[in-house]
Amino acid sequence: SAVISQKPSRDICQRGTSLTIQCQVDSQVTMMFWYRQQPGQSLTLIATANQGSEATYESGFVIDKFPISRPNLTFSTLTVSNMSPEDSSIYLCSVEDPGSPTLEAFFGQGTRLTVV
Amino acid sequence: LAKTTQPISMDSYEGQEVNITCSHNNIATNDYITWYQQFPSQGPRFIIQGYKTKVTNEVASLFIPADRKSSTLSLPRVSLSDTAVYYCLVAAAGNNRKLIWGLGTSLAVNP
Repeated sequence: SAVISQKPSRDICQRGTSLTIQCQVDSQVTMMFWYRQQPGQSLTLIATANQGSEATYESGFVIDKFPISRPNLTFSTLTVSNMSPEDSSIYLCSVEDPGSPTLEAFFGQGTRLTVV
Repeated sequence: LAKTTQPISMDSYEGQEVNITCSHNNIATNDYITWYQQFPSQGPRFIIQGYKTKVTNEVASLFIPADRKSSTLSLPRVSLSDTAVYYCLVAAAGNNRKLIWGLGTSLAVNP
């Protein structure tokens, strides 16, 4: 299994500012995933962060808005830049433990972001 | 990527068995079926995974018919704490896989 520590757990931010969310995993993993989940909605994949290479972004998400760092195999950050109220959402970090026989995904507790 | 369809919501009572069915008509040969549970203000949590026939663990059973076009998550004797959203996902194993999340089934367990 993998234990993920994500912070901050919540924040209230002014529009136009940026917030960096940190994700720390207790084991080395190749891929880390960043999701967004708006209230009452399902999870939407923002990007996949691989160590040593640029993150791969999904349609509708761009690096200028959601820059991602992946300095090593246990850590990643997601920055939400130039925020607007539409960015209010829960942001989730996820990994898949290659040591798990079921290839299950593990998630952090999420960061609840409110932009005012 | 196979798309999944499941009921938006279900209601149950404590002590009952709950069965949530998921349709995945376009499932590929190398796809696995995985179910997750999500409580409010938490990330999803793995419940069970299967490829075919029946899988059982300490919290649930997963029934998969021979054609694998659907699957049923069975929760025995639910309690109030089982109130959550349940997601059915279909994906292949491998380094390049991505998980596509549907809307899930919001299960409400009543006293």
